[in-house]
Amino acid sequence: EPEVTQTPSHQVTQMGQEVILRCVPISNHLYFYWYRQILGQKVEFLVSFYNNEISEKSEIFDDQFSVERPDGSNFTLKIRSTKLEDSAMYFCASSEESMTGYTFGSGTRLTVV
Amino acid sequence: GIQVEQSPPDLILQEGANSTLRCNFSDSVNNLQWFHQNPWGQLINLFYIPSGTKQNGRLSATTVATERYSLLYISSSQTTDSGVYFCAVQRTGTALIFGKGTTLSVSS
Repeated sequence: EPEVTQTPSHQVTQMGQEVILRCVPISNHLYFYWYRQILGQKVEFLVSFYNNEISEKSEIFDDQFSVERPDGSNFTLKIRSTKLEDSAMYFCASSEESMTGYTFGSGTRLTVV
Repeated sequence: GIQVEQSPPDLILQEGANSTLRCNFSDSVNNLQWFHQNPWGQLINLFYIPSGTKQNGRLSATTVATERYSLLYISSSQTTDSGVYFCAVQRTGTALIFGKGTTLSVSS
């Protein structure tokens, strides 16, 4: 079964540093998403991406965050200057169409120290 | 925005027992999914079920879209069923929104 692949699985970074989280969506999917989950809390929507541009973003997705599809396969989330409160599990997801089922990757656990 | 309420928040079962998890949502939706988050944090897609009934082994789900709820049934529960079960819904033009989840603990 096709998978969404995320790397790295775990990243530790110093406060104030930039991090890039990487995702390879399913190859024939057109819609891409980032979500985050702070430990013990619910999964929160960050941003959706379609046709090389952001289609929707939440209040969490402020100027510190950016997304990019640098080539035909990768989809990245950049956090410019990490804060302690950015520590969370970050999930990438993709879907074939906007209203079809989402497939989630295994997540990247980001720890900011 | 749309509200998603899941109940119960926590559930403790003995192995072999059956259970029903509920998801209520505040507005009409075009997409509804059930996920299982395992102890390693992975989100496993169980069902894509905006309406109707589906079954997959010991798990089944029913969504009654007109009454704005969905049910996830787990029969003959096993310890590997433990984890958090999330319902997530989506309206046209918006992102998939998650409920707070039901934490299931199955003991042998």
